[in-house]
Amino acid sequence: QALLTQPPSVSGAPGQRVTISCTGTTSSIGANYDVHWYQQRPGTAPKLLIYVNFNRPSGVPDRFSGSKSGASAYLAITDLQAEDEAVYYCQSYDSNLGGLWVFGEGTKLTVL
Amino acid sequence: QVQLQESGPGLMKPSETLSLTCSVSGVSIGDTSYYWAWVRQSPRTGLEWFGSIYYSGSTNYNPSLKSRVTISVDTSKNQFSLQLTSVTAADTAVYFCARHVGLSAAEDYFDYWGHGTLVTVSS
Repeated sequence: QALLTQPPSVSGAPGQRVTISCTGTTSSIGANYDVHWYQQRPGTAPKLLIYVNFNRPSGVPDRFSGSKSGASAYLAITDLQAEDEAVYYCQSYDSNLGGLWVFGEGTKLTVL
Repeated sequence: QVQLQESGPGLMKPSETLSLTCSVSGVSIGDTSYYWAWVRQSPRTGLEWFGSIYYSGSTNYNPSLKSRVTISVDTSKNQFSLQLTSVTAADTAVYFCARHVGLSAAEDYFDYWGHGTLVTVSS
């Protein structure tokens, strides 16, 4: 099964900066497929946070930024706020197994 | 604004066929810029893409689910639907419909989501 690997959890105090990694394979991020990020609060649907590696949809604060290097992508959140506490997922395309869009396992961000 | 809303049964028995419908408002499902997708979420599988459909009826399916999944579109009602055959307890999940921004496989993402509907499979 296609897999994007994320750390299960990260944490930070208000005002701090955290980074969440997303590691793919040679058939996904390593094949130069783009990465997108979603934020999911409990009981709600995922919300698009970053698209095509580093672009923010309208309304997403510039405290959120994305980057990609090799087979990994990164979501950085600066000036942490209590409302940022959520689960964050990366998503890309995997050309293996006939081709499919895949999600990471999710990273729970706790604001201390 | 763009809104998607899933509808369907909340409880099913094993071996039955799951049918879900997604009603779209705020955008025409015939807009050539988009596909329309089903994604499910469970503790077992996490977020799992099922498949996507274009207004013309052209589909892409998750290879691991392809034998059991059918996605269809009704442009007159601005809706698209999911059918999943022979459900088991492993299909218990929250099912989301989403707008699939299809630029190319390399760049595609999901920008609007429905609230999701919980489907429980139990005898």
